[in-house]
Amino acid sequence: NAGVTQTPKFQVLKTGQSMTLQCAQDMNHNSMYWYRQDPGMGLRLIYYSASEGTTDKGEVPNGYNVSRLNKREFSLRLESAAPSQTSVYFCASTSDGLALNIQYFGAGTRLSVL
Amino acid sequence: KNQVEQSPQSLIILEGKNCTLQCNYTVSPFSNLRWYKQDTGRGPVSLTIMTFSENTKSNGRYTATLDADTKQSSLHITASQLSDSASYICVVSDRGSQGNLIFGKGTKLSVKP
Repeated sequence: NAGVTQTPKFQVLKTGQSMTLQCAQDMNHNSMYWYRQDPGMGLRLIYYSASEGTTDKGEVPNGYNVSRLNKREFSLRLESAAPSQTSVYFCASTSDGLALNIQYFGAGTRLSVL
Repeated sequence: KNQVEQSPQSLIILEGKNCTLQCNYTVSPFSNLRWYKQDTGRGPVSLTIMTFSENTKSNGRYTATLDADTKQSSLHITASQLSDSASYICVVSDRGSQGNLIFGKGTKLSVKP
């Protein structure tokens, strides 16, 4: 069982370049999330998708866009990367929201912006 | 402001020993509290989820407690193993449905042989 799969695992960008982080889950989950994790800080929510066809901003959405392509896939796009976006990005999913549902995480994408 | 504070920041223990990690929160209204384990270079993995009415929940050698009156939680690890070396993250949800989890910074546990 793959669970939540993120690609790529590592990426180095130059300032101003764009890229898309991919996330796919094979658990038939409705809800998906994108977080960033920076040293000395807790995970922070960038965007989430409660269900297919919907997306909402989280705590730190500036500089990012998302697409819920279908029920399985939720991508995160950096249109013009900045050094402040150097971070580890995690995708997560739950069956249906966060009431009492277990959140499953991918292995992360480590992004460096030079 | 909703906050989750964890202590200690880091902890070193010998294999086989027990340890307790602390979590204090100021999140309101409270929905549930979670503990995650994050191995180095991996994503977090859920250990326990507790609601307001639960004061203890176990998952193998991991036992979480919750005191909703004092807004404190603890994670007790019994008979530690080398594989317990990881960061342990306390997370509080301030509503029952979507999106708003407040993550602590984590406690980094190292178990030495």
